[in-house]
Amino acid sequence: QKEVEQNSGPLSVPEGAIASLNCTYSDRGSQSFFWYRQYSGKSPELIMSIYSNGDKEDGRFTAQLNKASQYVSLLIRDSQPSDSATYLCAVNLNTGGFKTIFGAGTRLFVKA
Amino acid sequence: DVKVTQSSRYLVKRTGEKVFLECVQDMDHENMFWYRQDPGLGLRLIYFSYDVKMKEKGDIPEGYSVSREKKERFSLILESASTNQTSMYLCASSLSGNLDTQYFGPGTRLTVL
Repeated sequence: QKEVEQNSGPLSVPEGAIASLNCTYSDRGSQSFFWYRQYSGKSPELIMSIYSNGDKEDGRFTAQLNKASQYVSLLIRDSQPSDSATYLCAVNLNTGGFKTIFGAGTRLFVKA
Repeated sequence: DVKVTQSSRYLVKRTGEKVFLECVQDMDHENMFWYRQDPGLGLRLIYFSYDVKMKEKGDIPEGYSVSREKKERFSLILESASTNQTSMYLCASSLSGNLDTQYFGPGTRLTVL
């Protein structure tokens, strides 16, 4: 079983719609969770970090964390064509060290 | 702004060659990481370092070694390059704790012929 799982997509949404990206993880003791955006041919860049249960909003982006169910999600409101990218979920494991596990990513296409 | 730079964007090497990939960060970060990224497999951790001269194996350390002689510089070494090491290599750094965000360099696309 993969430690961090994401639907590979592609996920296609029309411009202006809400895009919902989901991620599940297996280490119940994980403490920190991140969403990165990666454009084709570029390196990942951080969108959101979340550490406690509930929602965290930043502009058009909302991260949601549910530790009991071991999932974290990212909502993108008013999706734009420029949001088209691969979104990586990352989880820092509770190993006592610094181990981050990345999901394989979900490809998002926003149609104009 | 955090800046992480990598020595090359594209590199072509032959099987058996020794390859050095260098990464430099300018924000006094404690932690540095080397990943490789392959289609469908996501980012996989090769090695990381949480202090000068300290290193820890990641998930796929075989065929690689690392060096961290100075805080700002973390080098990945392929002792004898093989074709299955053709990949995108990404360096990252983070401040210190386990909660800190990782900042990525632009990546090096290595092709081993």
